[in-house]
Amino acid sequence: KQEVTQIPAALSVPEGENLVLNCSFTDSAIYNLQWFRQDPGKGLTSLLLIQSSQREQTSGRLNASLDKSSGRSTLYIAASQPGDSATYLCARIATVDSNYQLIWGAGTKLIIKP
Amino acid sequence: DTAVSQTPKYLVTQMGNDKSIKCEQNLGHDTMYWYKQDSKKFLKIMFSYNNKELIINETVPNRFSPKSPDKAHLNLHINSLELGDSAVYFCASSQASGNSPLHFGNGTRLTVT
Repeated sequence: KQEVTQIPAALSVPEGENLVLNCSFTDSAIYNLQWFRQDPGKGLTSLLLIQSSQREQTSGRLNASLDKSSGRSTLYIAASQPGDSATYLCARIATVDSNYQLIWGAGTKLIIKP
Repeated sequence: DTAVSQTPKYLVTQMGNDKSIKCEQNLGHDTMYWYKQDSKKFLKIMFSYNNKELIINETVPNRFSPKSPDKAHLNLHINSLELGDSAVYFCASSQASGNSPLHFGNGTRLTVT
């Protein structure tokens, strides 16, 4: 069974701290992995996409890494801000029989305290 | 028993045509979305729509218009199709709280020739 697990389920930290969100998957034949943030009522915002051949991607204060051998991806957020408060989801994206298959983690709810 | 279903699965059409993609969800969710997946498999939100508000992404051309006859349906109409519209389009739904996971349809692969 293909699964994506995100730990922790919730995280609350003071503003300014650096933090790491974890995503693990059981299928090493990953295609792409994408990190999203979800704000209430606004759907998903794509953050970073790591293709299967890549090891990391960076955008501003965000850095996402991918280690297929260990089945893990991490999202590093530097110098956290209250505006970073959201639910962060990772999704494994694969092509199965010409169908795009997205396997989602349950998300990590992040609260940054001012 | 599909939760979020979208049709057609494949759509091949010529430039300049007008086409529609239909989406239906039987989960009782209040919010539905349309996403576009580009050639690098990057998902970008196009629209989100709930009972109260339609949110339009500014980067989406006005040739794209969502239409929701009821909260279980959100169809995507595309006028004057262009080559760059070729992509996979995903419909999704969730509870309005935003803390519930999104449920995605299987995608519609649109090819404009």
